[in-house]
Amino acid sequence: NAGVTQTPKFQVLKTGQSMTLQCAQDMNHEYMSWYRQDPGMGLRLIHYSVGAGITDQGEVPNGYNVSRSTTEDFPLRLLSAAPSQTSVYFCASTLGQGLGYNEQFFGPGTRLTVL
Amino acid sequence: AQSVTQLDSHVSVSEGTPVLLRCNYSSSYSPSLFWYVQHPNKGLQLLLKYTSAATLVKGINGFEAEFKKSETSFHLTKPSAHMSDAAEYFCVVRTLGNQGGKLIFGQGTELSVKP
Repeated sequence: NAGVTQTPKFQVLKTGQSMTLQCAQDMNHEYMSWYRQDPGMGLRLIHYSVGAGITDQGEVPNGYNVSRSTTEDFPLRLLSAAPSQTSVYFCASTLGQGLGYNEQFFGPGTRLTVL
Repeated sequence: AQSVTQLDSHVSVSEGTPVLLRCNYSSSYSPSLFWYVQHPNKGLQLLLKYTSAATLVKGINGFEAEFKKSETSFHLTKPSAHMSDAAEYFCVVRTLGNQGGKLIFGQGTELSVKP
């Protein structure tokens, strides 16, 4: 199993540009989520999904869209990039539809810089 | 509402000495608690989790944490630090919710290990 994969690893955008961060998992996990990590703030939840066709907002959803058409993929879209979205983005997946006591498996992250 | 506070943003220890990373939580019900570790430029890895079966939880790499309800704490300890323990550590509480719950991360504690 490849686990959770994210592409690209690094990205530089100009303000106003749009892009999609890709996330895929091959563990047949129902629950997937996106976080952003900023210095001194830990990880903050952007959006999450408990299964194909079901998504919900997390703590910091503004400026981001998600969709979940398949169990494997959970892309994160930046509609119009802003410098405040400069961050490291992590995708994670968990077995089952609820977190319970299950471990979240994290991808390696995408470092995004918005100029 | 659930929350978690890591009391130290940075801890420095000498190799071979004990490690203590402090975490306090706030929860209106019996919480699910986790510790994750993040090595430089890497994703997050689960160290241990509290599942209410035992108050003293043993994790990987010699780490353990004790759940103390009366003190609302879940401190992470290790008897003897190793150079490879240098990383950032996150205390995490799981919320309950209609859509399976979410993870709330503390701000992180950076552990430095001196030779």
